[in-house]
Amino acid sequence: DAMVIQNPRYQVTQFGKPVTLSCSQTLNHNVMYWYQQKSSQAPKLLFHYYDKDFNNEADTPDNFQSRRPNTSFCFLDIRSPGLGDAAMYLCATRRLESNQPQHFGDGTRLSIL
Amino acid sequence: AQSVAQPEDQVNVAEGNPLTVKCTYSVSGNPYLFWYVQYPNRGLQFLLKYITGDNLVKGSYGFEAEFNKSQTSFHLKKPSALVSDSALYFCAVRGYNTDKLIFGTGTRLQVFP
Repeated sequence: DAMVIQNPRYQVTQFGKPVTLSCSQTLNHNVMYWYQQKSSQAPKLLFHYYDKDFNNEADTPDNFQSRRPNTSFCFLDIRSPGLGDAAMYLCATRRLESNQPQHFGDGTRLSIL
Repeated sequence: AQSVAQPEDQVNVAEGNPLTVKCTYSVSGNPYLFWYVQYPNRGLQFLLKYITGDNLVKGSYGFEAEFNKSQTSFHLKKPSALVSDSALYFCAVRGYNTDKLIFGTGTRLQVFP
């Protein structure tokens, strides 16, 4: 089945130690999104790519970076994680030219020690 | 500015009874409306959407939603609740000519046996 896959599902890192989360998709969607979700709150959009065009949200901290080397993969890099960055990180995809919904992966739960 | 309101943090219903999860929206132009469900430690699963057409939209797992333009509402309904429907439900809107979803704060549905 075509899907959005996030690895790892659970990630533990140390305070200040860089961490990378990954997302891959087999849907061939041109838009990929990264969201941060804290304790049952609404997902908060960090940034998204339309193809290789990067769109950062105004309130996304500089500590968060992203890379999209090709259509299928997208990475979220947290350069110096703080305790406040502990959250669920969700990747989603969509084909921009359609009215179809965003498809979400199962997320990566990040813990900071 | 676009916004979505889910006025109830939690909805409790007995198994077999009908359920309603409320959502109201504010958007310029015609809204694209979505409902998602989230189970613990999972991503968001798409339930249904309203783009245009019939005001009553049928979705996955027996859920439906009614679009009411005059009341700017898009309430989620199910005729007979199941214990397995217990989860966190998010309403979202995507305004015309934008690719971003604006999420409500979420409503936790608890179905009791």
